[in-house]
Amino acid sequence: KNEVEQSPQNLTAQEGEFITINCSYSVGISALHWLQQHPGGGIVSLFMLSSGKKKHGRLIATINIQEKHSSLHITASHPRDSAVYICAVYNTDKLIFGTGTRLQVFP
Amino acid sequence: GAGVSQSPRYKVTKRGQDVTLRCDPISSHATLYWYQQALGQGPEFLTYFNYEAQPDKSGLPSDRFSAERPEGSISTLTIQRTEQRDSAMYRCASSLCPSCEQYFGPGTRLTVT
Repeated sequence: KNEVEQSPQNLTAQEGEFITINCSYSVGISALHWLQQHPGGGIVSLFMLSSGKKKHGRLIATINIQEKHSSLHITASHPRDSAVYICAVYNTDKLIFGTGTRLQVFP
Repeated sequence: GAGVSQSPRYKVTKRGQDVTLRCDPISSHATLYWYQQALGQGPEFLTYFNYEAQPDKSGLPSDRFSAERPEGSISTLTIQRTEQRDSAMYRCASSLCPSCEQYFGPGTRLTVT
């Protein structure tokens, strides 16, 4: 069993839909990263959080430390949101990555 | 610099050759990470530096892999006697401190034939 699990692995949506991607982890962490990997391969940091909730534009990330769970929400999804979304947790100064959620948003 | 840069972006080498990959982090960043990413998988930790120090190299798959950051800035990752299973994307990331937000470079796609 992976230390960081994401669900779903693949997700398709129609433009405008509300998207939720889940991340569960089994190790102790100091913080959690949500990352976006574009079709061209580049990786961009979306959020880093250790408690509560953060919002940036149409993206919202939440974390529940007691339940060892985080969610990434995308409101009013758009085709340009199509990418792989990766959850990664900081454990002793190094990141442990989930395998990613591939999101496709169709017009 | 404006962001993390890596070179070369693509490298094709024959089995048995040595390769050296380069990472140029954001100039104010103390910490630098190396990752290996197989196709369709998430990145996997190889090693990291805090300035020149290399506190953790537990992710290096074998003694054919080594990394340096002699002046606490640019880093190199060297793979000796490359094997086909070394083919992957090698990513570098930097951050202000250990456990701070990481900024990723574009990666080097290594193909061993």
